[in-house]
Amino acid sequence: AQSVTQLDSHVSVSEGTPVLLRCNYSSSYSPSLFWYVQHPNKGLQLLLKYTSAATLVKGINGFEAEFKKSETSFHLTKPSAHMSDAAEYFCVVTWGGYSTLTFGKGTMLLVSP
Amino acid sequence: EAGVAQSPRYKIIEKRQSVAFWCNPISGHATLYWYQQILGQGPKLLIQFQNNGVVDDSQLPKDRFSAERLKGVDSTLKIQPAKLEDSAVYLCASSNDRFPPDTQYFGPGTRLTVL
Repeated sequence: AQSVTQLDSHVSVSEGTPVLLRCNYSSSYSPSLFWYVQHPNKGLQLLLKYTSAATLVKGINGFEAEFKKSETSFHLTKPSAHMSDAAEYFCVVTWGGYSTLTFGKGTMLLVSP
Repeated sequence: EAGVAQSPRYKIIEKRQSVAFWCNPISGHATLYWYQQILGQGPKLLIQFQNNGVVDDSQLPKDRFSAERLKGVDSTLKIQPAKLEDSAVYLCASSNDRFPPDTQYFGPGTRLTVL
């Protein structure tokens, strides 16, 4: 069965410092991977997605993620955190076809001034 | 472009009562999804529709949950009777096509509290 593990339930950074949110997946086949962000009382918004094209994927708001097949990882990074980045982030995997999206448990990003 | 609409945004009921949630997907999106998000967890798919047909309802507790999408556009999710463990946010999402895995656009959700 497909699965995705977000290694940190909470990450705290200071404004202006780099962000790293870690995600690992289990894989029998080539996956498609997504990162979604959820601000309080808002719907989930897609940050970026990987679907077997370039392994370094750039998303909105300065976020990017790198697909590393050898490490079965898809970590999310941003060079400089902003206060507005404080939210919950979900790593999501699917194997396409009619397979469903499988969400990680989420990582809460806290940004301090 | 209008996003996915859901109503109500909040609902409080007592256990054993029934409740219904409504979702209107983005215009033209053939695929519609209902998810359950329990506090502290990622969303879990309850049911997926392709037009007005069910593609996947393997995780829908069918003894108490039902969903329909009669005309292939908007959808209703019902719980009858509700249990305490049904307290969660119910998210609706839609996408344009299933192949390849297309971006799912999510609504704001309905927060259900069962007392």
